[in-house]
Amino acid sequence: KAGVTQTPRYLIKTRGQQVTLSCSPISGHRSVSWYQQTPGQGLQFLFEYFSETQRNKGNFPGRFSGRQFSNSRSEMNVSTLELGDSALYLCASSLQWNTEAFFGQGTRLTVV
Amino acid sequence: AQSVTQPDIHITVSEGASLELRCNYSYGATPYLFWYVQSPGQGLQLLLKYFSGDTLVQGIKGFEAEFKRSQSSFNLRKPSVHWSDAAEYFCAVAGVRGAAGNKLTFGGGTRVLVKP
Repeated sequence: KAGVTQTPRYLIKTRGQQVTLSCSPISGHRSVSWYQQTPGQGLQFLFEYFSETQRNKGNFPGRFSGRQFSNSRSEMNVSTLELGDSALYLCASSLQWNTEAFFGQGTRLTVV
Repeated sequence: AQSVTQPDIHITVSEGASLELRCNYSYGATPYLFWYVQSPGQGLQLLLKYFSGDTLVQGIKGFEAEFKRSQSSFNLRKPSVHWSDAAEYFCAVAGVRGAAGNKLTFGGGTRVLVKP
């Protein structure tokens, strides 16, 4: 069974640009969550989607948004990039509500 | 608000020695509890989970963890460490059934170094 797939693995963007990251969950999983990992702040929850609806949202500015499609694939978008957005962005998929999460390899975003 | 504390930022252990990583959580009820491991530049791999029942849970790679409600702890252990266990370990909690979905709150992590 294929795991969680995140694309691309690495990205370099310029301050002020926008970026879209993609996540394909494990087949049959309906929940997708996104996390930001930085050396200073650690792992922080961004948002969670379940059956195309955002169910949870973390404490991030509105520049961070996401969506989930009918096939459970998810994208997150960051607009007007700032240097502080440089991080490893991790996607996790879960079969149902309140079940364990399985993580992808992450997308390393560098903002210059 | 729920929180997770991993008191040890770094731990150095000799290969073959035992390992124990500490995790304390703050939550209004018994949450779901997890341990994840992360190798450099990689994603997180689930080692084990506790939802309910037996308070001693077994995971992959020879790891086990014990839930102690009275101490709000969920410590991870391994009897004999291998060089490949060098990585960063994260304890995480999720909300109780029907409440917070799959949102995870993570501890700050413990980096494990293994001496030959």
